[in-house]
Amino acid sequence: DAGVTQSPTHLIKTRGQQVTLRCSPKSGHDTVSWYQQALGQGPQFIFQYYEEEERQRGNFPDRFSGHQFPNYSSELNVNALLLGDSALYLCASSVAGYTDTQYFGPGTRLTVL
Amino acid sequence: KQEVTQIPAALSVPEGENLVLNCSFTDSAIYNLQWFRQDPGKGLTSLLLIQSSQREQTSGRLNASLDKSSGRSTLYIAASQPGDSATYLCAVGSARQLTFGSGTQLTVLP
Repeated sequence: DAGVTQSPTHLIKTRGQQVTLRCSPKSGHDTVSWYQQALGQGPQFIFQYYEEEERQRGNFPDRFSGHQFPNYSSELNVNALLLGDSALYLCASSVAGYTDTQYFGPGTRLTVL
Repeated sequence: KQEVTQIPAALSVPEGENLVLNCSFTDSAIYNLQWFRQDPGKGLTSLLLIQSSQREQTSGRLNASLDKSSGRSTLYIAASQPGDSATYLCAVGSARQLTFGSGTQLTVLP
């Protein structure tokens, strides 16, 4: 049973560029959440997708957008990259509801130069 | 706005010692609390999940407690081993959104 997978593993971009990160949820899961983890900090919630719609959003600007596909996989897009966007981006999947745990992928390390 | 604090930020102990990691949160209206382990540059591994109606959970040498009324949780690690060295993160909320602390970086010395 495959867990949560993310691609790519590492990514280097320059300021002003756009980036797309991808996530495949754990088998049987229908909900995908994205988190940003800066060095030395805990992850911060970006948004969650369920039934191909953004269901909940954290305190992130509109430069951060996402998409969920019919097979429940998801993409995170970041436009007009800033140096401060350099971080580990984590994807988590879960089953719709309030009480179930979230399962995290290995993350994508984004470096903005 | 939920805020999660973890103390201490870093901890170094000799192998075999029992230790306690602390987590506090400001809003007691939570569905669950999770403890995660993170190795350097890696993703998160869920260690224990405590539902809001529960008081504690145990897995092997790990025991986590939850006191919603005081906004506190502790993670107890028995007989620590060098392989336990990692950052331990506490997160509160629900399956819709988790709020994390900044973590405790644990080093177990052989």
